[in-house]
Amino acid sequence: DGGITQSPKYLFRKEGQNVTLSCEQNLNHDAMYWYRQDPGQGLRLIYYSQIVNDFQKGDIAEGYSVSREKKESFPLTVTSAQKNPTAFYLCASSIDRRNTEAFFGQGTRLTVV
Amino acid sequence: QKEVEQNSGPLSVPEGAIASLNCTYSDRVSQSFFWYRQYSGKSPELIMSIYSNGDKEDGRFTAQLNKASQYVSLLIRDSQPSDSATYLCAGISGGYNKLIFGAGTRLAVHP
Repeated sequence: DGGITQSPKYLFRKEGQNVTLSCEQNLNHDAMYWYRQDPGQGLRLIYYSQIVNDFQKGDIAEGYSVSREKKESFPLTVTSAQKNPTAFYLCASSIDRRNTEAFFGQGTRLTVV
Repeated sequence: QKEVEQNSGPLSVPEGAIASLNCTYSDRVSQSFFWYRQYSGKSPELIMSIYSNGDKEDGRFTAQLNKASQYVSLLIRDSQPSDSATYLCAGISGGYNKLIFGAGTRLAVHP
């Protein structure tokens, strides 16, 4: 099946730890995005990438890092510098920067314990 | 001004009525616009995209884009309780084609 796979579905982090959220797509899409969603809120853009080996900061990039070494993979690391990381994290992809119909993975719910 | 703005609602409509959801956008947003539906605890699902002025219909859904007034709307005809969800409006901003979302409008369709 073609699609976007995020893992894990639930993740618990101790304060001070870095954690990495996985996002993999087999749709041959060039563009990939990471969003954060807090309860009752919309989606805020963390990072996005339009092509392999290139990515741009979104509106709330502080405390996060990404890499785009392969077309199909766009992992997000939540570092200890992110002071309030508890949220629902969503990864999306679109064909390319011109065709921006984006499709989402199932999300990862991160909780700091 | 936020790039994409929506009234958070909730918008409550009776079953069978037309639900009208609205979204405005700033000068920094252009090109394409999208409507997503998000059920509680789930990820957003794309339901409509619109690229030019006017109306676009798909089943019970109609998206409307007015670039002069900088608003996008979504009409849902014959609303069903299963339409109860949060509806997110999104647009493209900036030279790197950032996909930016509004805060979402919660729709409640009651029997």
